[in-house]
Amino acid sequence: GEDVEQSLFLSVREGDSSVINCTYTDSSSTYLYWYKQEPGAGLQLLTYIFSNMDMKQDQRLTVLLNKKDKHLSLRIADTQTGDSAIYFCAESGGSARQLTFGSGTQLTVLP
Amino acid sequence: SAVISQKPSRDICQRGTSLTIQCQVDSQVTMMFWYRQQPGQSLTLIATANQGSEATYESGFVIDKFPISRPNLTFSTLTVSNMSPEDSSIYLCSVEAGGGLREQFFGPGTRLTVL
Repeated sequence: GEDVEQSLFLSVREGDSSVINCTYTDSSSTYLYWYKQEPGAGLQLLTYIFSNMDMKQDQRLTVLLNKKDKHLSLRIADTQTGDSAIYFCAESGGSARQLTFGSGTQLTVLP
Repeated sequence: SAVISQKPSRDICQRGTSLTIQCQVDSQVTMMFWYRQQPGQSLTLIATANQGSEATYESGFVIDKFPISRPNLTFSTLTVSNMSPEDSSIYLCSVEAGGGLREQFFGPGTRLTVL
């Protein structure tokens, strides 16, 4: 079945860039998503990318997709303490609308 | 984007009882899903809630344990039946925005603790 992998932890200094990485196995994945979950809260959709794109930028967020390597990354520029959260990568494939999630990356922003 | 509310936001229940969780969306949506997030874990899809027909369950989830209703395009319920401590999780509903967009939005979740 589909598998989505992420590293569990990332720490960065305030003001630096953060890069959160994700790999997936399903070659039919058509949409790839990044969600943010703050403590005690639900999931906030940050951005998503269609598989025929290799980059998408939205303010401080840049998503890069390497479809050949099945690798997705989320770059957060000028990381702030409010960016501390768990970031989930997710994918959906073809006509299947449900999402398969990675394990989540806990981003800690240090002052 | 869709605005999604869930009730209750949290509950503490006794073993062997059942809890029904409601999900309300502020607009009509075709696709609605129920996910479970066990403590410290990622999200796992329980089922797709289909309007006018039986829900479609993922492997490992059965209708007797997690009955789902979807009476219209803005509302769904998930019941967690005959609960055990292993059912302690956050239960989240999600909807797809529609209009050809594949954006999927989540409710705030229901935090369930079973004693």
